[in-house]
Amino acid sequence: EAQVTQNPRYLITVTGKKLTVTCSQNMNHEYMSWYRQDPGLGLRQIYYSMNVEVTDKGDVPEGYKVSRKEKRNFPLILESPSPNQTSLYFCASSLVGGPYYGYTFGSGTRLTVV
Amino acid sequence: QQPVQSPQAVILREGEDAVINCSSSKALYSVHWYRQKHGEAPVFLMILLKGGEQKGHEKISASFNEKKQQSSLYLTASQLSYSGTYFCGTELIISNFGNEKLTFGTGTRLTIIP
Repeated sequence: EAQVTQNPRYLITVTGKKLTVTCSQNMNHEYMSWYRQDPGLGLRQIYYSMNVEVTDKGDVPEGYKVSRKEKRNFPLILESPSPNQTSLYFCASSLVGGPYYGYTFGSGTRLTVV
Repeated sequence: QQPVQSPQAVILREGEDAVINCSSSKALYSVHWYRQKHGEAPVFLMILLKGGEQKGHEKISASFNEKKQQSSLYLTASQLSYSGTYFCGTELIISNFGNEKLTFGTGTRLTIIP
């Protein structure tokens, strides 16, 4: 089944403890992106990647890191999480970047930083 | 540069029609529409490219007025399954091409009651 897989689905952590949220897609998509969703703010882009080894900042990149060493994987790294990073996170992928293809979203990761 | 959606929420009876609007202050290259049911990931509905194209499938269609920098999503004879939050995502024009970044609006919550 074509899908974007995120892990974990739920995560509670303490301030300052490094964590990684994994994202993997099996559709051979070139484009991948991370969004965070907060009430009243919609989906805000954190980072995106046009292809392997090509990443760029979205609208809210502060406090996050990403890497794209393989086409299928695009992990989101929080080096020192803070409570304001408590949110629902979605990974998304598309065949290529640009306007012609829709995004496929993962099931989401609900992160709580205490 | 986040697009503005209106209304923020709407309640309809089954069988009624709804229109959801998405407006941008900047020139748009494309508009995406997604639906998100509670507790689930957003699901792609359709893409509209600059050129005033109208698209649709079954009873859900959309239009894109590039001069007004806005798009509208039309839900006809709504069904209970249409309930959810609808998001538009917009891609800006940079040098006659899209900037390959999708920025989402804050969403419109649609509730269909029997």
